[in-house]
Amino acid sequence: GAVVSQHPSRVICKSGTSVKIECRSLDFQATTMFWYRQFPKQSLMLMATSNEGSKATYEQGVEKDKFLINHASLTLSTLTVTSAHPEDSSFYICSAAQGSNQPQHFGDGTRLSIL
Amino acid sequence: GENVEQHPSTLSVQEGDSAVIKCTYSDSASNYFPWYKQELGKGPQLIIDIRSNVGEKKDQRIAVTLNKTAKHFSLHITETQPEDSAVYFCALYTQAGTALIFGKGTTLSVSS
Repeated sequence: GAVVSQHPSRVICKSGTSVKIECRSLDFQATTMFWYRQFPKQSLMLMATSNEGSKATYEQGVEKDKFLINHASLTLSTLTVTSAHPEDSSFYICSAAQGSNQPQHFGDGTRLSIL
Repeated sequence: GENVEQHPSTLSVQEGDSAVIKCTYSDSASNYFPWYKQELGKGPQLIIDIRSNVGEKKDQRIAVTLNKTAKHFSLHITETQPEDSAVYFCALYTQAGTALIFGKGTTLSVSS
């Protein structure tokens, strides 16, 4: 149980393109979903937290107009990287939880490469 | 604010040996402590967690111990196998219980 599916797993696109990443909880309802960014050989950096039906809460330094998050249902959240540039290249990972202080289950990440 | 320190950053063991990774934290109100395993190119996988009302939890070759007084918790892997090689992260929730704070990770290498 507690499976989180993230798609796509890999994206390569040109600078200026917008990229949408989907995160789905397959066998449980996720009241909260999280988006992380991870640089090589580093820990996970929380970008934003989203609760179903509410606006996402962004961490300090994360541009909300750059990283659009939608959490329209209890099983789906999306992250759109708008007008992506090479510096946005990274490994993006989502996670989902059934509530506060509950286990977070992670997707397998999306490797984004902007040329 | 909350902080978690993880040691060691790298750990190399021989197959069959035990491995121990330790994390210390600063906020005594923390009450949920998960451990994640991340293999190359994949997302973190929850392997074991513990809540503050118990001192130890075991699942086959993996165990977690918690010392609330000293504010540290440790991951113990016994009879290590090459497939245990990965990066391991400890974590804990913020006071509000709304976001996880991760340690910097431990790269475990098990050689056969």
